[in-house]
Amino acid sequence: DVQMVETGGGLIQPGGSLRLSCAASGFTVSNNYMSWVRQAPDKGLEWVSIIYSSGNTYYADSVKGRFTISRDNSKNTLFLQMNSLRAEDTAVYYCARVLTLSSGWRPFDYWGQGTLVTVSS
Amino acid sequence: DIQMTQSPSSLSASVGDRVTITCRASQGINNNLAWFQQKPGKAPKSLIYAASSLQSGVPSKFSGSGSGTDFTLTISSLQPEDFATYYCQQYNTYPWTFGQGTKVEIK
Repeated sequence: DVQMVETGGGLIQPGGSLRLSCAASGFTVSNNYMSWVRQAPDKGLEWVSIIYSSGNTYYADSVKGRFTISRDNSKNTLFLQMNSLRAEDTAVYYCARVLTLSSGWRPFDYWGQGTLVTVSS
Repeated sequence: DIQMTQSPSSLSASVGDRVTITCRASQGINNNLAWFQQKPGKAPKSLIYAASSLQSGVPSKFSGSGSGTDFTLTISSLQPEDFATYYCQQYNTYPWTFGQGTKVEIK
């Protein structure tokens, strides 16, 4: 079965750094496109970043230059390094798989349970 | 950025009702449109991709249509487990963007 478990969230002061992890099972992270999506408290969903199987990466403007998506193939794990954190980065962060087939893309077919990041002094 | 606008933002409906949610993109996105369902405290769940293709395991009471800029999600007969918030999302152009959500509540 496909499963993803996020860890690494917590309370962090503005300007601080945090690294989120998403440990996957049931599929190979490096063979798939993987993404991070966040949701601020009582707000809607916001796409954050994606990493292709090729290693290409894309980011939302709101996090570009501050966040870095990466993966560890040996651990089958996705990461999100978050630097220069701001209060507006407070959210539940989800990792999600983007299935890419010859017939087209299926975004976010599987999601993790999410990890809460709170940026506050 | 492509703006996704859902309507209505919320609706009240009864069990058995047919419900339609619309999603409009600020520019054409071909059929690169997905729909998600989210219940309180839970991760979103994929319902539809490519505007009208049902995700594996999703019941056929959910259907999607549209192309270009205008899309709809229809629930043919609302059941208690369908009361949730629904989001559309475009994946045609980065940055990917979501609609603001439509909360479906019990009348």
